[in-house]
Amino acid sequence: DAKTTQPPSMDCAEGRAANLPCNHSTISGNEYVYWYRQIHSQGPQYIIHGLKNNETNEMASLIITEDRKSSTLILPHATLRDTAVYYCIVRAQTNFGNEKLTFGTGTRLTIIP
Amino acid sequence: ETGVTQSPTHLIKTRGQQVTLRCSSQSGHNTVSWYQQALGQGPQFIFQYYREEENGRGNFPPRFSGLQFPNYSSELNVNALELDDSALYLCASSPQGGGTNEKLFFGSGTQLSVL
Repeated sequence: DAKTTQPPSMDCAEGRAANLPCNHSTISGNEYVYWYRQIHSQGPQYIIHGLKNNETNEMASLIITEDRKSSTLILPHATLRDTAVYYCIVRAQTNFGNEKLTFGTGTRLTIIP
Repeated sequence: ETGVTQSPTHLIKTRGQQVTLRCSSQSGHNTVSWYQQALGQGPQFIFQYYREEENGRGNFPPRFSGLQFPNYSSELNVNALELDDSALYLCASSPQGGGTNEKLFFGSGTQLSVL
């Protein structure tokens, strides 16, 4: 799986959009970009994933650049409950049933009241 | 709430002992994987079980072993505990079919302390 680079920490004001960048310059054509987050003392929680096109769900939006070498996770209206560590993960096409995720150290996002 | 439950939530052991951690996967999920998360680090993949067989393993020694049962629940066993085994152990399950386009559902983990 390709390596990802994320800033170690970010702050965002409550109610504003939080934009979390991720660099994955060695990504291959069949690798997906996944985002998970981990709130203190809990297991990681799936947020969103994509391959080429931008994606949006009830939690967030994922913007992937045209060359696929970087992406941005957008939380449109951040709340205090969004304070967490956010992991950007690039995941290769795997064999049937092989679910390995390679986590980095992520970005610690703090929402400021 | 993911439907993945782990037990116990906390455990204290001494060096050299053996430990068994348990995980019940979400209903309908037949793939279970285990991760180790040291303090301040991201989770590290230990291994995965699919249809009761190990199907993928990370860089962990053989003293880390596991089982998956017919109801898809799973156990992680660690023998000869070392101080560095102190970590949060996470279990994750995924739906039947697996593959890259499936998301993992994590439990809240077992915090293991080795003294």
